[in-house]
Amino acid sequence: ETGVTQTPRHLVMGMTNKKSLKCEQHLGHNAMYWYKQSAKKPLELMFVYSLEERVENNSVPSRFSPECPNSSHLFLHLHTLQPEDSALYLCASSYRGLAGATSTDTQYFGPGTRLTVL
Amino acid sequence: AQKVTQAQTEISVVEKEDVTLDCVYETRDTTYYLFWYKQPPSGELVFLIRRNSFDEQNEISGRYSWNFQKSTSSFNFTITASQVVDSAVYFCALSVRWGNNDMRFGAGTRLTVKP
Repeated sequence: ETGVTQTPRHLVMGMTNKKSLKCEQHLGHNAMYWYKQSAKKPLELMFVYSLEERVENNSVPSRFSPECPNSSHLFLHLHTLQPEDSALYLCASSYRGLAGATSTDTQYFGPGTRLTVL
Repeated sequence: AQKVTQAQTEISVVEKEDVTLDCVYETRDTTYYLFWYKQPPSGELVFLIRRNSFDEQNEISGRYSWNFQKSTSSFNFTITASQVVDSAVYFCALSVRWGNNDMRFGAGTRLTVKP
């Protein structure tokens, strides 16, 4: 596999379910991201894992919980979601260089998981 | 604060027409990066171009060209001789700090190319 992959591509869940989204990057990058894309809203950055640090958007509800076990894998754990959480969830990765080093900082995206919460 | 504005919500053209997608950005940083992404119906954002603030040269890649003008804070994207496969949502984005990874996206422009 090449690039950034995401599974599942589609997910329908009830509000009481617990599920996880998975992202894997095969680009040798060291930073990974979760974005939420809702209808008629700008792309919203949810979480960033970069150089083993986690940065999050403080507006993201606690029912979304990220996990990044290594630089190639990223998970988004979901529990007790609401219907308004229905959206396309996109994963991205980039190479973040150390201070003074060269890096591209271009983010490459996966195909997304289309989530529907009933 | 950083902001990206794509004033055109939707554009519809007929195949073989040229079309320009506008992007206006705001930032106080002197070092920044501008991007264009394409999102076809499949959902994946496809990287098209990255331009840094010190390079105002226009770029051409096949039927695609980009016009970066710091004087007007614009980074416009032109598709020449559009094709049906160009139909997608196009996003302009701005990243203001090297390594910060706080990329701001515009709201996107939906381009429909009709046969």
